[in-house]
Amino acid sequence: EDQVTQSPEALRLQEGESSSLNCSYTVSGLRGLFWYRQDPGKGPEFLFTLYSAGEEKEKERLKATLTKKESFLHITAPKPEDSATYLCAVFNTGGFKTIFGAGTRLFVKA
Amino acid sequence: EAGVAQSPRYKIIEKRQSVAFWCNPISGHATLYWYQQILGQGPKLLIQFQNNGVVDDSQLPKDRFSAERLKGVDSTLKIQPAKLEDSAVYLCASSLGRVNTEAFFGQGTRLTVV
Repeated sequence: EDQVTQSPEALRLQEGESSSLNCSYTVSGLRGLFWYRQDPGKGPEFLFTLYSAGEEKEKERLKATLTKKESFLHITAPKPEDSATYLCAVFNTGGFKTIFGAGTRLFVKA
Repeated sequence: EAGVAQSPRYKIIEKRQSVAFWCNPISGHATLYWYQQILGQGPKLLIQFQNNGVVDDSQLPKDRFSAERLKGVDSTLKIQPAKLEDSAVYLCASSLGRVNTEAFFGQGTRLTVV
């Protein structure tokens, strides 16, 4: 069964303290992996799509990377406005279903 | 560009009552999704439409949930009768082209069943 596991469940950082979030997956034929950001009371907001191992994408203080078994979301010098839940999702070669992880809740303190 | 619109934002009903949610996707988006998000969990796909047709509804509890997409645009999701465990946020999303491209989400409807 296709599965996505994110760790840690919650992460508390001081402003400027860089760290990484992990997304490990087991899926029959990975077609791609999404990262989304979700603020309280809102729907997820798209950040990145990664398609193949070795691929990297960047946006402001965020960089996403992909290996054959996991993805990392690196946050460099975070700011309080980066506080949110970060969701990882995978879709398989069938392409008909996107499976989300439970997310990592990030808190950045000024 | 207008985003995905959902209504209502909040709904409180008693168990065994019925409820309906409405979604208007981004204009021109062929694919529409309904997700259920229980507190502390990631979104779980309930049903996915490509234009008028259903692409996947394998996780939709069909004995109580139903969904339709009228003329390939707006969609409604209905629960009848509701159970306590249906309390969740129901998210609608849409994407431009083929299935599993970047999805844009609405703000969701928070359902509380008492």
